[in-house]
This record gives sequence, structure tokens and C-alpha cells, in this order.
Amino acid sequence: DIQMTQSPSSLSASVGDRVTITCRASQNIANYLNWYQQKPGKAPNLLIYAASSLQSGVPSRFNGSGSGTDFTLTITSLQPEDFASYFCQKTYTTPYSFGQGTKLEI
Amino acid sequence: QVQLVQSGAGVKKPGASVKVSCKASGYTFTGHYMHWVRQAPGQGPEWMGWINPHSGSTKYAERFQGRVTMTRDTSISTAYLELSRLRSDDTAIYYCARDRCTTTSCAWPAFDFWGQGTLVTVSS
Repeated sequence: DIQMTQSPSSLSASVGDRVTITCRASQNIANYLNWYQQKPGKAPNLLIYAASSLQSGVPSRFNGSGSGTDFTLTITSLQPEDFASYFCQKTYTTPYSFGQGTKLEI
Repeated sequence: QVQLVQSGAGVKKPGASVKVSCKASGYTFTGHYMHWVRQAPGQGPEWMGWINPHSGSTKYAERFQGRVTMTRDTSISTAYLELSRLRSDDTAIYYCARDRCTTTSCAWPAFDFWGQGTLVTVSS
């Protein structure tokens, strides 16, 4: 199976900062990479699909890029509501596995 | 608006089975794949498999083969997950999640709507 590795596992930042989270696949997954945000006690929420397409209703400060094996999620100008956990997911082939997550803290 | 409403939390003994339901509304139930994802405490999500509500066909993650069954009842727009031979490490929140892909066209799979989650605790 293709493994998904996220880094960092945790990240401290301040309101207004720009942060970048990376996700690496163990094999080429083209652009089949999604990003989710999850807040405590809630289900994940889709932010980005197909590596760089913004899901409807998601603020434009969320930006996804990459293809092949290396992907990034960038959040420009962090807002208080952005402090949460973030997960990547590959959907190139089943299993549609997730990364282990990045916890973004104040 | 799209909603996925899941059944309530439960406690099961090791070796037992659990069945979780997911009632869909706000869209054509048979038009989108439905996935099941679980998340153990403090862990990342784990994909368990999908069901095509239109045809009833399924695809399960290999690690759950033989223990998992996904079904649906189109008359009440509800998907079901059944997991048997439960172990303590099956303790997790179980989510249903709709695929943005339709059952007739699938370019970029992603899970655009999720249920609220169902906590299943396996304990003797």
C-alpha cells in the first residue's frame, strides 16, 4: 500500500502567520490528494481536493499545491478558527489512506 | 442541505458485532458513493471501504476483509456498517462520508459531507 507521511506532526503559530504543512506519498499519486481540517469533537471537513482545487465555501487563504509524491497545504494569514488538526488523504487507488495529521496550535 | 445522521454510541463486548447506520438527506442517495472511516482516540482517520448505493457493490480495505459488511436500504436512504469479531482496538469513532464523486462519474474522489460520528467502545 502507498504510505502517506505528513510533517510536521505539530506546529505552533500566531494569528496572521503563514504556515505550510507537507504530505509525502511513498509512490506517485498524480494529483489524487485531498486536505481536511478537523476540530476537536467534530468530523473532518474537506478543504482541498485534487491537490489544488478549493472546496466550495472554503476561504481562499487555504492553498494546496504539488503533484506526484510531494504536496503542500499553505494557510496564509492564519485566523483564530484555523487552529485545528489537518490531514492529507490520497485517493489514487484504494485504500484511500490518510496521513497521521498535523496539529496547528497557537 | 446535505445531511448524514448516524446512529448513537454503543458499548460492545469483545467478540460481538456492531451495526452503525447513516441516514442521508438533501441529495439523491443513490447518486454518490458512501465511505466509512474510523478514527481511534488520538489517531488519524482510517478508511474502511465504500459502497455504491445505486448498485450495492462494495470495496473494503484489506485489513477489514472478512469482518466488515457495508449495506444500504435505498427506500430509506440509509447506509449501514457492520463490523464483527470486535476487539479492544476497534474502539473508535466511526464516520460515514459522502464522496463528491457520483456513481456515474468519478474524476477526483474526496469526502465532502460527513456524519457526526458514532463512538463504538469495545470493552469487557
